[in-house]
Amino acid sequence: KQEVTQIPAALSVPEGENLVLNCSFTDSAIYNLQWFRQDPGKGLTSLLLIQSSQREQTSGRLNASLDKSSGRSTLYIAASQPGDSATYLCAVNTIQAAGNKLTFGGGTRVLVKP
Amino acid sequence: NAGVMQNPRHLVRRRGQEARLRCSPMKGHSHVYWYRQLPEEGLKFMVYLQKENIIDESGMPKERFSAEFPKEGPSILRIQQVVRGDSAAYFCASSPTTENTGELFFGEGSRLTVL
Repeated sequence: KQEVTQIPAALSVPEGENLVLNCSFTDSAIYNLQWFRQDPGKGLTSLLLIQSSQREQTSGRLNASLDKSSGRSTLYIAASQPGDSATYLCAVNTIQAAGNKLTFGGGTRVLVKP
Repeated sequence: NAGVMQNPRHLVRRRGQEARLRCSPMKGHSHVYWYRQLPEEGLKFMVYLQKENIIDESGMPKERFSAEFPKEGPSILRIQQVVRGDSAAYFCASSPTTENTGELFFGEGSRLTVL
């Protein structure tokens, strides 16, 4: 059974500092991994999707790496801004799962202080 | 192209009442997934449906919960005789095909409060 863990659970940094969010998963047989952002009381916004054959994906200040063999992904957010404050969720699409069923981590709550 | 539409966005029910949550997938998507997010927790898978078929309901509680995705109309998650522990955000997601390399697109969620 796939289990996804995100560390740390919460993170507080001053504006301008780089953010490093970690995600680990127990079953490395995955199709892909997705990073989402969730603002309080809101839905999920997809940030990056990394296929199992890829090592990383980049979008603007965001960069996500994937090491499938060790079951790890890291989301880097460069030069953080107060607007980056949100909860960041990692989710994996496991080969044994039906369709595009995702298993989520518990999230990392980020606060960027001005 | 409208995204995944969920309604109602907020629903208040008293213990013992029924809650019905609706989800219209993105245009062209025939696969729907329901997730539940309890306060301060991550999202937990509940059920995966295609039109008129339940594919995987391994995350669905055995009692009081049911889901359907009829040939016409939205997918519906139904909770009978709600209890306080059912208070949560319920998210729907859709995808266009059964191929496993795609993204899931999420709705804004329906927030159920049981008094």
